[in-house]
Amino acid sequence: GENVEQHPSTLSVQEGDSAVIKCTYSDSASNYFPWYKQELGKRPQLIIDIRSNVGEKKDQRIAVTLNKTAKHFSLHITETQPEDSAVYFCAAPLSGGYNKLIFGAGTRLAVHP
Amino acid sequence: SAVISQKPSRDICQRGTSLTIQCQVDSQVTMMFWYRQQPGQSLTLIATANQGSEATYESGFVIDKFPISRPNLTFSTLTVSNMSPEDSSIYLCSAVTGAHQPQHFGDGTRLSIL
Repeated sequence: GENVEQHPSTLSVQEGDSAVIKCTYSDSASNYFPWYKQELGKRPQLIIDIRSNVGEKKDQRIAVTLNKTAKHFSLHITETQPEDSAVYFCAAPLSGGYNKLIFGAGTRLAVHP
Repeated sequence: SAVISQKPSRDICQRGTSLTIQCQVDSQVTMMFWYRQQPGQSLTLIATANQGSEATYESGFVIDKFPISRPNLTFSTLTVSNMSPEDSSIYLCSAVTGAHQPQHFGDGTRLSIL
């Protein structure tokens, strides 16, 4: 079945800097890769996702890149702001289902003013 | 996206008891799921709640411990049975509105077992 590894586990940046979080997956058949942001005590919220037929997707300060050959995908946040501080989770489909997701271990991002 | 509501939002229970968590979506959805998030950890899929049939459980989770119902396209329940302190977690419901659509989550139920 699918396995997802996420790095780093913690990331500390200064406001205005960029942050990059990387995930690798094991199942070459996986075709959908969402990213969720979870603030303390809140629900995971989808912030961006990418399907395997594209290599990059951007939404304002957030972008996701996908390298199918290497089986990894990354979240890029530019011009970070203190409100970007949260735990970020990548995910990939559990084998056998588009919507059944397996999550990475999470990255705790701290943006310092 | 669909609005997903969970009840209760939190509870403190005695070991050996059972608790049923409700998940209500404001529109019909194709798929509903239940996840567990242990303190400070990631999300782990418990099962897929199938409308009108038995849930599909992931490895490590069994029906006797986590019975699930889904009587219609907008509602599901998860019961945590015979609870022990190790069951202290956040339990999250999620839903997908259609094929190849993103998955969205409820606010979760924070469960503490004494």
